[in-house]
Amino acid sequence: NAGVTQTPKFQVLKTGQSMTLQCAQDMNHEYMSWYRQDPGMGLRLIHYSVGAGITDQGEVPNGYNVSRSTTEDFPLRLLSAAPSQTSVYFCASSYLGQPQAFFGQGTRLTVV
Amino acid sequence: DQQVKQNSPSLSVQEGRISILNCDYTNSMFDYFLWYKKYPAEGPTFLISISSIKDKNEDGRFTVFLNKSAKHLSLHIVPSQPGDSAVYFCAASPNAGGTSYGKLTFGQGTILTVHP
Repeated sequence: NAGVTQTPKFQVLKTGQSMTLQCAQDMNHEYMSWYRQDPGMGLRLIHYSVGAGITDQGEVPNGYNVSRSTTEDFPLRLLSAAPSQTSVYFCASSYLGQPQAFFGQGTRLTVV
Repeated sequence: DQQVKQNSPSLSVQEGRISILNCDYTNSMFDYFLWYKKYPAEGPTFLISISSIKDKNEDGRFTVFLNKSAKHLSLHIVPSQPGDSAVYFCAASPNAGGTSYGKLTFGQGTILTVHP
């Protein structure tokens, strides 16, 4: 099993550009989420989804959009990138009702 | 407002000795606690967890202790091995199960270095 797959692994954007970070899981998990990791801050929840068609905001949602059209995929969209969005992004999935989350390998995003 | 805190940014121990990583939390609604291990350029991987109804959970060399009255948990690694060198994150999940469980709140992480 591939588990949670994130693409791309690295990305450099110019301020104002848009892009989509892809996340796919093959474990049939209902729950998917996006976190960002910044130095000294741990991981912070951006958006999450409890199933296809259902999404909600986490702790730091501003500047990001999500949608969940299938159980497997949960893309994260940056509509107009800002330097403050330079970070490492992790996608995670889990069974509904189980707190243990499985993480992808991360996407390192730099906005210049 | 940091609801989960790991006050030690780093810890250095000798191979074979015990490693103790600490974590404090402030939110009484947290019901489940987890430890994740992270190597550079990889995603966090689940290590061990504990429910708030327990005070200890053991899995091989790893033991997590929970002191609810002090809102404190710790991870003990005995004996420590060089391959344990990584960043360790504690995380907490609110109660009520269902849709709340996936909303993990993480501490800042502690860099563990185990010297041969």
